[in-house]
Amino acid sequence: DTGVSQDPRHKITKRGQNVTFRCDPISEHNRLYWYRQTLGQGPEFLTYFQNEAQLEKSRLLSDRFSAERPKGSFSTLEIQRTEQGDSAMYLCASIKGTGGSTDTQYFGPGTRLTVL
Amino acid sequence: ELKVEQNPLFLSMQEGKNYTIYCNYSTTSDRLYWYRQDPGKSLESLFVLLSNGAVKQEGRLMASLDTKARLSTLHITAAVHDLSATYFCAVSSTYKYIFGTGTRLKVLA
Repeated sequence: DTGVSQDPRHKITKRGQNVTFRCDPISEHNRLYWYRQTLGQGPEFLTYFQNEAQLEKSRLLSDRFSAERPKGSFSTLEIQRTEQGDSAMYLCASIKGTGGSTDTQYFGPGTRLTVL
Repeated sequence: ELKVEQNPLFLSMQEGKNYTIYCNYSTTSDRLYWYRQDPGKSLESLFVLLSNGAVKQEGRLMASLDTKARLSTLHITAAVHDLSATYFCAVSSTYKYIFGTGTRLKVLA
């Protein structure tokens, strides 16, 4: 069990560019979440996967954001035509099971995005 | 819409003192979570509270849940500097997790 990993850890991009982040959950964790966290705020839910199915997506997520989880393993989050307001920490978390009694989320280290 | 509020937002306390952080949420939920986040780091799970009246303790931290009042508390006993961090509560709604804005705790020597 090596924990949840995310890549890259830091990304600096110019406004208008596309960026893609990767999350590798803990093996056998079938639930995967993406969050966005800005300075001084709590994590904000973006989207949720159960295995390869994207079951929920925040209304806050514009059409510029898309996420995939092919084969129910790693996941990618893509932001197209980045804007300065997209600058934030993007966190990934995974959970084992489908709503069991513990439901503990294990968070990755995050990807810090800076849009210039 | 489920909302989660924490207070205080900032807390500066002396070592050895006790204090309580409060977490209120707006709609029914049967699970409440507490997390810790150190500066520049990710979130670490502290407690999962599953039912009304649940109480969990780990070291100097104790969390409790009152689902009727929609209130959870995180009590800090005899604070030490190592507890300085930001503490978040979160509530689950179907498969979504809604986080509070966090309480930034600073323990002064």
